[in-house]
Amino acid sequence: EVQLVESGGGLVQPGGSLRLSCAASGFTFSTYWMHWVRLVPGKGLVWVSRIQSDGSTTNYADAVEGRFTISRDNAKNTLHLQMNSLRAEDTAVYYCVRSFADGNTIFDYWGQGALVTVSS
Amino acid sequence: DIQMTQSPSTLSASVGDRVTITCRASQSISRWLAWYQQKPGKAPKLLIYRASSLESGVPSRFSGSGSGTEFTLTITSLQPDDFATYYCQQYDTYPITFGQGTRLEIK
Repeated sequence: EVQLVESGGGLVQPGGSLRLSCAASGFTFSTYWMHWVRLVPGKGLVWVSRIQSDGSTTNYADAVEGRFTISRDNAKNTLHLQMNSLRAEDTAVYYCVRSFADGNTIFDYWGQGALVTVSS
Repeated sequence: DIQMTQSPSTLSASVGDRVTITCRASQSISRWLAWYQQKPGKAPKLLIYRASSLESGVPSRFSGSGSGTEFTLTITSLQPDDFATYYCQQYDTYPITFGQGTRLEIK
């Protein structure tokens, strides 16, 4: 059974940092592109970042470019999102998401989500 | 970025009804469109991909159609479990973008 379990969410002050992690199991993690998608209150779902199966390619939404860094450890089946210079508008539930094995960005498995609240 | 616009934002319906949700893309995305269902406090669930392909395990009362810039999600004979928020998503071009969501509520 595919499982994605996020951790590391919490309350942080504006300008602060937080690191999210996602533990993957039930599939061959090293062969899938992985993503972070956030659910923003009142706005809906927003794609944040992606990383290629071997970690060689990463992409980011404009809103987080330069502040967030996605990474993965295929030996430990773990995905990370390092979030720096956090802003109030980064407040959201962050989901670790797997996309289809054929390379299309169709999100077939989602974690339960990690709540990040940026507030003073 | 490709903008995805869903209508309506909120839809009131009764058990047994047939409902249709529309999703429009700001430019052609061929058939690179997916639909998700999300319930409060839960992760989104994939329903439809490639505009009309039903994900494994999803009931056949869900169907999708369309191509280019206009797409629809239809649910025939609504069940109590179907009351949720629905999102469309384009995967033609990065950045991936979602519609703003359609909340399906009980009338």
